[in-house]
Amino acid sequence: EAEVAQSPRYKITEKSQAVAFWCDPISGHATLYWYRQILGQGPELLVQFQDESVVDDSQLPKDRFSAERLKGVDSTLKIQPAELGDSAMYLCASSSDRGDTEAFFGQGTRLTVV
Amino acid sequence: SQQGEEDPQALSIQEGENATMNCSYKTSINNLQWYRQNSGRGLVHLILIRSNEREKHSGRLRVTLDTSKKSSSLLITASRAADTASYFCATGQAGTALIFGKGTTLSVSS
Repeated sequence: EAEVAQSPRYKITEKSQAVAFWCDPISGHATLYWYRQILGQGPELLVQFQDESVVDDSQLPKDRFSAERLKGVDSTLKIQPAELGDSAMYLCASSSDRGDTEAFFGQGTRLTVV
Repeated sequence: SQQGEEDPQALSIQEGENATMNCSYKTSINNLQWYRQNSGRGLVHLILIRSNEREKHSGRLRVTLDTSKKSSSLLITASRAADTASYFCATGQAGTALIFGKGTTLSVSS
C-alpha cells in the first residue's frame, strides 16, 4: 500500500541551528501539505503545494521557515534558525484533490529544540 | 487557525460501550472528514461526508452532518481498547487545505 514517507522520525537540535525535514508523497498526488502539530493540539497548516507551486503559505513564518517542492514530487521544509517554540510534530500529507478528498499523512517528524 | 472544535476534549469509556464525539465548525464547507491519531503517529483518515449528505457509515463508525447547525458527530459502536486514540474533525473546501480541530482524546479500558 502506498504511503507518505517522512524523514527523519525524530530530530533534536540546538536553538539557532538549521534543521530540515523531507517528505515523499504518494505517487501521483499533486497536492502536498506541511502541517505543524503542537502537543495536545490539532494540526495547523504551514504550507500547501499544488505540483511545484505554493498555493497557500499564509501561516508559514517566512523569516525562518522555507519550503520547496522541486519537480513537484518530494518536498523539503527548512527552519533556520530554530527556536525553542518550534518544538512540535511536523506532518506531511498528500492528496489527489485539494480539500475535496482524503489526505494521506506520513508518520511525522518529532522536532525537539533545546 | 482552527475551524473545527471537538467536544468533549477527553472521553473515557469501557470496552463494549459506544463513544460519541462532536464537532462544530464556523464557515460553509464542501465536506467534513474524521481522522484518528495514535500517540506519536501520523493521522489516519476514517471517513468523509459531503455537505449534501446527512449520515454515513463505515464498519463500526457512524457520522452525521447537520449543515444548518454547522455540526457533525462521530459514533464508534462497541468500542475496543485498540480504539484508544485522538480523533480530529477536519473541514474541507475545494481548492483549499483541510482545517483541523483540536481533537478528542478517547481512552477505552478493558
